[in-house]
Amino acid sequence: DAGVIQSPRHEVTEMGQEVTLRCKPISGHDYLFWYRQTMMRGLELLIYFNNNVPIDDSGMPEDRFSAKMPNASFSTLKIQPSEPRDSAVYFCASSRDRGNQPQHFGDGTRLSIL
Amino acid sequence: AQSVTQLGSHVSVSEGALVLLRCNYSSSVPPYLFWYVQYPNQGLQLLLKYTSAATLVKGINGFEAEFKKSETSFHLTKPSAHMSDAAEYFCAVSDLRDTGRRALTFGSGTRLQVQP
Repeated sequence: DAGVIQSPRHEVTEMGQEVTLRCKPISGHDYLFWYRQTMMRGLELLIYFNNNVPIDDSGMPEDRFSAKMPNASFSTLKIQPSEPRDSAVYFCASSRDRGNQPQHFGDGTRLSIL
Repeated sequence: AQSVTQLGSHVSVSEGALVLLRCNYSSSVPPYLFWYVQYPNQGLQLLLKYTSAATLVKGINGFEAEFKKSETSFHLTKPSAHMSDAAEYFCAVSDLRDTGRRALTFGSGTRLQVQP
């Protein structure tokens, strides 16, 4: 089975530009998660969806960040406008519905804002 | 709220030596616990999980972890380190049973170095 697929793998852009990160979860998984990893703060949950509906976005840092899941096989995380402090590795993960099921992670998008 | 503490941000062992990576958790309810491994430029890969069945959990690549409620610990071990085990390891606890929130709280990670 294909794992979680993220694109792009690397993104370098200038401050103020719009950035869109994409994720395709594992087929049949009901939950999708977006995480951010930095040296200073480690792994942080930004938002998660259940059956395409946002359930908890308390980790989204500010209004510049938004996430959507238009269907069961696709999600986006958008930053507009981007700032240098947004530079991080962004991971998408998905899991089945049962609570003890592990989350499966993509390879991440390494984002650099100049 | 749940929390996870990983003692030792860096651990170095010799090839063939025992690997012991420490994880202590804080939870008001019986937790779901996980160990993940992250290789450079890759995502997190599940090593093993504890979900209140057997307290000794076996995972992939020869790793295992023992859940000790009295010590609130879930340490990761491997009898004999291999060069390919060099990576960063994360312990995580699920928030589900505590808050109903389907999120993982991660420890700060332990980077394992394996010396030849």
